[in-house]
Amino acid sequence: QLVVTQSPSASASLGASVKLTCTLSSGHSTYAAAWHQQQPEKGPRYLMQVNSDGSHIKGDGIPDRFSGSGSGAERYLTISSLQSEDEADYYCQTWGTGIQVFGTGTKVTVL
Amino acid sequence: EVQLVESGGGLVKPGGSLRLSCAASGFTFSSYSMKWVRQAPGKGLEWVSSISNSNNYMYYADSVKGRFTISRDNAKNSLYLQMNSLRAEDTAVYYCARAPVPYSTSSGIDYWGQGTLVTVSS
Repeated sequence: QLVVTQSPSASASLGASVKLTCTLSSGHSTYAAAWHQQQPEKGPRYLMQVNSDGSHIKGDGIPDRFSGSGSGAERYLTISSLQSEDEADYYCQTWGTGIQVFGTGTKVTVL
Repeated sequence: EVQLVESGGGLVKPGGSLRLSCAASGFTFSSYSMKWVRQAPGKGLEWVSSISNSNNYMYYADSVKGRFTISRDNAKNSLYLQMNSLRAEDTAVYYCARAPVPYSTSSGIDYWGQGTLVTVSS
């Protein structure tokens, strides 16, 4: 069964970095994953796709502060030079033929 | 610029029906598969349904299978979700979303609409 696991929360100080982890279920380590940001009271926004080889494909206008990487069944989103507007929920998503799966989201707090 | 604009949400009684629409612009709509994703109040994102670019394939989450029908009209650049036998647990903001890879039946999401709220309550 295709499942995505995320930690519920993360925090870091203004200007620091934070690394979010998305873990794909056993047997699905070659799957790509996408990261989406949802700021308070707003709809989701696509950030990037992270492939199994660690390469990533960013969405339009996504700042360089956002980067992606991967290792095994884990897909990472790193936010550098944290800004106040980065305080949001971050969802990891993966997919197969006929199915889309979202993680439960990680709430990022900027201290 | 890619734009996805949902409409059709509202208040409906349990057991009732509603049809959501999504107007797409800024890209060749007929080349991309599309999806509906929903978010219940205070909850996370839940995939609802997907449709291939040419209407050949439709997929549904178990929670809506048999009650919801996804469709599209490529001539009108529009995506639809017919929702029947609505339940209180279907209350959510419904988002229209685009797949990033043309002609692919298995890919993620690269653009989202702003969402339309569906409330199922007596």
